[in-house]
Amino acid sequence: AQSVAQPEDQVNVAEGNPLTVKCTYSVSGNPYLFWYVQYPNRGLQFLLKYITGDNLVKGSYGFEAEFNKSQTSFHLKKPSALVSDSALYFCAVRDGGFSGGYNKLIFGAGTRLAVHP
Amino acid sequence: EPEVTQTPSHQVTQMGQEVILRCVPISNHLYFYWYRQILGQKVEFLVSFYNNEISEKSEIFDDQFSVERPDGSNFTLKIRSTKLEDSAMYFCASSEIPNTGELFFGEGSRLTVL
Repeated sequence: AQSVAQPEDQVNVAEGNPLTVKCTYSVSGNPYLFWYVQYPNRGLQFLLKYITGDNLVKGSYGFEAEFNKSQTSFHLKKPSALVSDSALYFCAVRDGGFSGGYNKLIFGAGTRLAVHP
Repeated sequence: EPEVTQTPSHQVTQMGQEVILRCVPISNHLYFYWYRQILGQKVEFLVSFYNNEISEKSEIFDDQFSVERPDGSNFTLKIRSTKLEDSAMYFCASSEIPNTGELFFGEGSRLTVL
């Protein structure tokens, strides 16, 4: 069964410091991995995705994520955090195989990022 | 920038009543989805829809739920007889392609069942 784990409920970072939000996944086929951000009272906004190719993918607002197949991880990173990055971040996976479930996105529980001035 | 729009933003209903949540997906997208997020919990897949039929649904999407694309623009989620546990934020999403494409989400419809 597909699953996503975000081990941290909350990550606290000082503005200007690098940030990492962790994500690990489990799928039976090739993983298609996504990061979304949710600001208060808003829908989810797409940040970036990994489908194939270079393990380091770059996305919106200076975020990037590294796909690590051996560790089944897809951690979200940013070199220098901003207060405006404070939000709820969701990792999600699709199973790229055709064993079923290729249409649906499985989300992690979310990690709240708090960036302090 | 094109966006997914949802109405109503908030609906309060009595248990047992029917509710219809409406969505207008991005115009050139062909794949449509409903997800829900119970307060404080993770975002859960409900159903995906393509070519006027359900392509996949979760175990949550039981006989009380239905989806429809009644015209060329709207995509609706109907809950036939609401239960207290249906209280959640319901998100509509659309995508241009099904598997590798990102989903574009609306801002959600908050359903409160009393």
